[in-house]
Amino acid sequence: EPEVTQTPSHQVTQMGQEVILRCVPISNHLYFYWYRQILGQKVEFLVSFYNNEISEKSEIFDDQFSVERPDGSNFTLKIRSTKLEDSAMYFCASTRDKASEAFFGQGTRLTVV
Amino acid sequence: DQQVKQNSPSLSVQEGRISILNCDYTNSMFDYFLWYKKYPAEGPTFLISISSIKDKNEDGRFTVFLNKSAKHLSLHIVPSQPGDSAVYFCAASALQGGSEKLVFGKGTKLTVNP
Repeated sequence: EPEVTQTPSHQVTQMGQEVILRCVPISNHLYFYWYRQILGQKVEFLVSFYNNEISEKSEIFDDQFSVERPDGSNFTLKIRSTKLEDSAMYFCASTRDKASEAFFGQGTRLTVV
Repeated sequence: DQQVKQNSPSLSVQEGRISILNCDYTNSMFDYFLWYKKYPAEGPTFLISISSIKDKNEDGRFTVFLNKSAKHLSLHIVPSQPGDSAVYFCAASALQGGSEKLVFGKGTKLTVNP
């Protein structure tokens, strides 16, 4: 069964450093997303990406965040200068089209120290 | 800003019985609803969805009911199995409004006892 894969599974970084979280969405999917879950809180939407551009973003997704689809398979989330409060599980997701269910990856646990 | 609410943080049921997980929403623009199951250290796994034009959708042991007037949906699992023990998230989106983002509830931890 096709799946969304994320790397790394766990990333520890120092405050102020840049991190790049990587995702390989399901191959025939057209919409890509990043969500995060801070420990003990709910899953929150960050950004959606379609046709090589951001289609929607939340207020969390400020100038420190960016997304890119550098080739035909990878979808990345970059945090330019990490803060302690960026520590969370980050989930990548993809959908075949706008009205279909989202498939999530296993997540990357980001720990900022 | 709790547009999607799951008021029960936990639920415990006996194997073979029915599990009923509830979800309320406040945004009348929501028109597509989904249930996800999540194990620790894994991503959410899609279970079942329902469009606002329907009031019921069934898939095997899982049935989702939607009451638009009450802005309420529920997930029924019959019969419950120990492997169903996980955190269940309700999610909603406003597709007709041009948004495909999912708004999640806080989740309900289901424990199915053998």
